[in-house]
Amino acid sequence: GEDVEQSLFLSVREGDSSVINCTYTDSSSTYLYWYKQEPGAGLQLLTYIFSNMDMKQDQRLTVLLNKKDKHLSLRIADTQTGDSAIYFCAEKDRDDKIIFGKGTRLHILP
Amino acid sequence: EPEVTQTPSHQVTQMGQEVILRCVPISNHLYFYWYRQILGQKVEFLVSFYNNEISEKSEIFDDQFSVERPDGSNFTLKIRSTKLEDSAMYFCASSLAQGRETQYFGPGTRLLVL
Repeated sequence: GEDVEQSLFLSVREGDSSVINCTYTDSSSTYLYWYKQEPGAGLQLLTYIFSNMDMKQDQRLTVLLNKKDKHLSLRIADTQTGDSAIYFCAEKDRDDKIIFGKGTRLHILP
Repeated sequence: EPEVTQTPSHQVTQMGQEVILRCVPISNHLYFYWYRQILGQKVEFLVSFYNNEISEKSEIFDDQFSVERPDGSNFTLKIRSTKLEDSAMYFCASSLAQGRETQYFGPGTRLLVL
């Protein structure tokens, strides 16, 4: 079945760039998403990319998509303490369901 | 900016009791969804709803679950007889359309079944 995989933890020094990686299996995915979840809070849509794009930039966020390898990444430039959260990679399948990864917990080191 | 809201934020219930989780989707949205996240696990799709009908449901969404849009604004998830394993965060989402339209998520209801 469809699956989305991502590493569970990432530690980054404040001011450095964070890169969170994700792989997915569904070659018919149309949209791929990054959601952010802060402690005790809901899912906040950070950004998304259409499957015919290979890059999208939005302020400090850069999304790279390698459709051939089914690899998605999120780069956060100049990481701040407020970026500390769990980041979920997700893809929309042909039935319009969103399939989520387990989430990557981003920890910011001072 | 319009947002999806959910009530209550937390609910504690006894096993076997019925619970109703409420959601108010974004007002002009037409597609509605429920997802759940068991602690430490992935967010999982439960059901999608459009035009007063279930469009799609996962194998998790068994006969104990039902959804309803009782009026023009609310979208509810009912669990008829809760089990311990129903303890999870339940997220409602809505979108304007399918396909290219993004699903916007509410803040979730944390359900604890004792």
